[in-house]
Amino acid sequence: GESVGLHLPTLSVQEGDNSIINCAYSNSASDYFIWYKQESGKGPQFIIDIRSNMDKRQGQRVTVLLNKTVKHLSLQIAATQPGDSAVYFCAENRDSGYSTLTFGKGTMLLVSP
Amino acid sequence: DGGITQSPKYLFRKEGQNVTLSCEQNLNHDAMYWYRQDPGQGLRLIYYSQIVNDFQKGDIAEGYSVSREKKESFPLTVTSAQKNPTAFYLCASSIRTEETQYFGPGTRLLVL
Repeated sequence: GESVGLHLPTLSVQEGDNSIINCAYSNSASDYFIWYKQESGKGPQFIIDIRSNMDKRQGQRVTVLLNKTVKHLSLQIAATQPGDSAVYFCAENRDSGYSTLTFGKGTMLLVSP
Repeated sequence: DGGITQSPKYLFRKEGQNVTLSCEQNLNHDAMYWYRQDPGQGLRLIYYSQIVNDFQKGDIAEGYSVSREKKESFPLTVTSAQKNPTAFYLCASSIRTEETQYFGPGTRLLVL
């Protein structure tokens, strides 16, 4: 079946490095994508979103890139800080009749001081 | 302060008991959702509601029930029919179902 997934389950970086978290999606009809950050024991927090009519969107220290040709989504975090350590999920809108979001399993980002 | 609240933070269930998890939002969102999260797993949709007095089953609705009598509230009942209820339960809301969802802090349900 079609699903949202992530390439790397765990990413370890040094403080100050740039981080890139990847997500592959297989539903070519999806037109809206979101990245969430989830700290241990807490609910996911919205980070940034992008629609399929765009290929790049920037926020504060974060950039989302969308490559529709290869169905790939990435989240770039600049100058990663220890407070960025968390699980990051991508989500896509679901084209299955009831239009809810489908979430990937997540990538754990570990930032060392 | 606008947002989504869930209570309690921790909930213990005895075997054969029904328990209800609370979710309230003051964001004036029409859509609300319940997800279950197990360790190392993605979020799985239990139920969602697009509007007051209407709700739909998600992927794992068996053993759960919901109601949506008020726009602000979407309580989830974990019934005795749910044989493996231990999990982290997340409530979310959005303006419409295909838009960004905002999450509450979660309720961790444990079985005694």
